[in-house]
Amino acid sequence: QVQLVQSGAEVKKPGASVKVSCKASGYTFTSYYIHWVRRAPGQGLEWMGLINPSADSTTYAQKFQGRVTMTRDTSARTVYMELSSLRSEDTAVFYCARSLAARSHFDYWGQGTLVTVSS
Amino acid sequence: QSVLTQPPSASGTPGQRVTISCSGSTSNIGSYYIYWYQQLPGTAPKLLIYRNNQRPSGVPDRFSGSKSGTSASLAVSGLRSEDEADYYCSAWDDSLSAWVFGGGTKLTVL
Repeated sequence: QVQLVQSGAEVKKPGASVKVSCKASGYTFTSYYIHWVRRAPGQGLEWMGLINPSADSTTYAQKFQGRVTMTRDTSARTVYMELSSLRSEDTAVFYCARSLAARSHFDYWGQGTLVTVSS
Repeated sequence: QSVLTQPPSASGTPGQRVTISCSGSTSNIGSYYIYWYQQLPGTAPKLLIYRNNQRPSGVPDRFSGSKSGTSASLAVSGLRSEDEADYYCSAWDDSLSAWVFGGGTKLTVL
């Protein structure tokens, strides 16, 4: 069965970086895009960007340009999302999700990773 | 402030029919499919409706979606206590070259 399993919770200080992983199983890794979506406390869902594991190409939301980097390791079937220059407003649960095409729906989601930014 | 506009809350009693609206513009809902996600407390979002009105396997037919112009709506009929969740609409936005979401609607079953 399709599964996206994310790394565990993180606590970071302001100004630091965090790298969250998303390990895929149950499908052909390079056939689906992986998106990253976050939900801050009391807020709604916010799309951060996507990676095409086949082409190793990325598209980032303008808000996160320059601060986010999405990479993949095809041998490990894993996608990574690194967010730098963290501030308290980045405290959120981060989700990975897959789609068949860049503009197609997110049919499976990871369980989420809580990142807390606090001094 | 979200690009897609949803009411922050909705409610109904068991068995009732509730609708949740989602308003956008020509660069998103007006040009692309609308999708709906359900997020139960403490869990990851789950795809509820895709391509305006299609239900993934396993989603009860109590859930239905529709779209007209730059607006869309999600209807939940035969409301059940397990439907209490946050519901989000989403679409691709051409002007932003990004996926956009509504602010979410918290559905309460009274």
